[in-house]
Amino acid sequence: GDKVKQSPSALSLQEGTNSALRCNFSIAATTVQWFLQNPRGSLINLFYLVPGTKENGRLKSTFNSKESYSTLHIRDAQLEDSGTYFCAADGNMGYKLTFGTGTSLLVDP
Amino acid sequence: EAAVTQSPRNKVAVTGGKVTLSCNQTNNHNNMYWYRQDTGHGLRLIHYSYGAGSTEKGDIPDGYKASRPSQENFSLILELATPSQTSVYFCASGDRTVQDTQYFGPGTRLLVL
Repeated sequence: GDKVKQSPSALSLQEGTNSALRCNFSIAATTVQWFLQNPRGSLINLFYLVPGTKENGRLKSTFNSKESYSTLHIRDAQLEDSGTYFCAADGNMGYKLTFGTGTSLLVDP
Repeated sequence: EAAVTQSPRNKVAVTGGKVTLSCNQTNNHNNMYWYRQDTGHGLRLIHYSYGAGSTEKGDIPDGYKASRPSQENFSLILELATPSQTSVYFCASGDRTVQDTQYFGPGTRLLVL
C-alpha cells in the first residue's frame, strides 16, 4: 500500500475560508516536507519539519512522529493558494523523500 | 536567478533512442535527486547523489542511469528509451547542513514515441 497517504485527494474552498490537509505515514518518518506545485508546474518548498509545529504567514504545519501523521493548515485561503500540495517523508535518514500523491486545491472567489 | 535549472525543458524521443536530461544547481548543495512525476503516483525517486562522483539508486532506477561529474551537474540517462518513460522529470538539490530542504528545478517533459 501507499507509504505516504494524503487526504483529501481534492478540495475546493471559498476565498477567505480555512482548511486542513493531512498526511499519514506507514513508514517511520523522521522529517517531513510540504510542497506546493503551482498551476505552472513549479514545486515550491513550504515547510521542512522535524517533530513539532511551524508557522509561516497563513500556513501552519504540524508533524507528529509518534502517531505518524502531518497536517497543513491553510487560514484565510487566497486564490494564489490553488495548486497541488504534496507531503514527503524522509524515513531512513538517507535524505530520500517518499512523496504522497497530493491534494489538489482549488480556491474560488 | 533560478538556482536549479534543467535542460531541455521539453523533449520528444523515439523508442530505443538515447536521452540525456541535464540538471545544474548553483546552491552548492551536496545532494542532488532525480524524480519522475506521473498522474496518480506523485513524485518517485529514480536516482540521487551525495556529491561529485557518487550515484545511488532510488526507488525506481530500472531503465535509468545517472552521472554526477561535478558538484553542480547531475544527469539522467535513458540508454534505450521506452514509451513507459514518458513523464515529467524533476531534478532537485538539497544539503543536510541546512536541513536538506529540497529545491526543485522547473521540470522536463519527455515524450517517448
